[in-house]
Amino acid sequence: KAGVTQTPRYLIKTRGQQVTLSCSPISGHRSVSWYQQTPGQGLQFLFEYFSETQRNKGNFPGRFSGRQFSNSRSEMNVSTLELGDSALYLCASGGGTSGGEQYFGPGTRLTVT
Amino acid sequence: QQQVKQSPQSLIVQKGGISIINCAYENTAFDYFPWYQQFPGKGPALLIAIRPDVSEKKEGRFTISFNKSAKQFSLHIMDSQPGDSATYFCAALTGGTSYGKLTFGQGTILTVHP
Repeated sequence: KAGVTQTPRYLIKTRGQQVTLSCSPISGHRSVSWYQQTPGQGLQFLFEYFSETQRNKGNFPGRFSGRQFSNSRSEMNVSTLELGDSALYLCASGGGTSGGEQYFGPGTRLTVT
Repeated sequence: QQQVKQSPQSLIVQKGGISIINCAYENTAFDYFPWYQQFPGKGPALLIAIRPDVSEKKEGRFTISFNKSAKQFSLHIMDSQPGDSATYFCAALTGGTSYGKLTFGQGTILTVHP
């Protein structure tokens, strides 16, 4: 089975711009979660989508949003970028038989200048 | 209530030694505890996981020990190898509709010297 894919892998944006990141989960997985990883805050949960519905949301401002399509692919959008949004954005695919198993993609490295 | 505290922040071990990383949690609703391994430039990889109904789980050189009453769990890496040098994260998750909401520890940078 192919793993979780994320595009693009690297992105440089300017403050005030917006950005869209994409994630394709493992085939057959219906849950997609997004996480932000920074050296200072570590790994923080953004939101989770299951069958096109947002099921959980972390403590991030409304500038962070997402959606999931009928084929389980997900996109994450950040509007009005701030310098502090520079981070590695990770997507995780869930659907293991034991429940709770999540498999991460390689991430998108976003740099805001 | 949602925190997971991980220690130590960094760990240096000689090849062949045992690496031990500890985590403590507060939320008794957590019912799934995975460990992830992350190499530079890569996403975290699921290493091993445990549920609170067992006290220990072993997969190869990796063992999770779980103490429900103390709300602590730990990762033991036996016969540590230079290739194990990476950052390790413990995590916890509540069941039900919080399926995808992992709460992570701050990470431990493991260095295994040859």
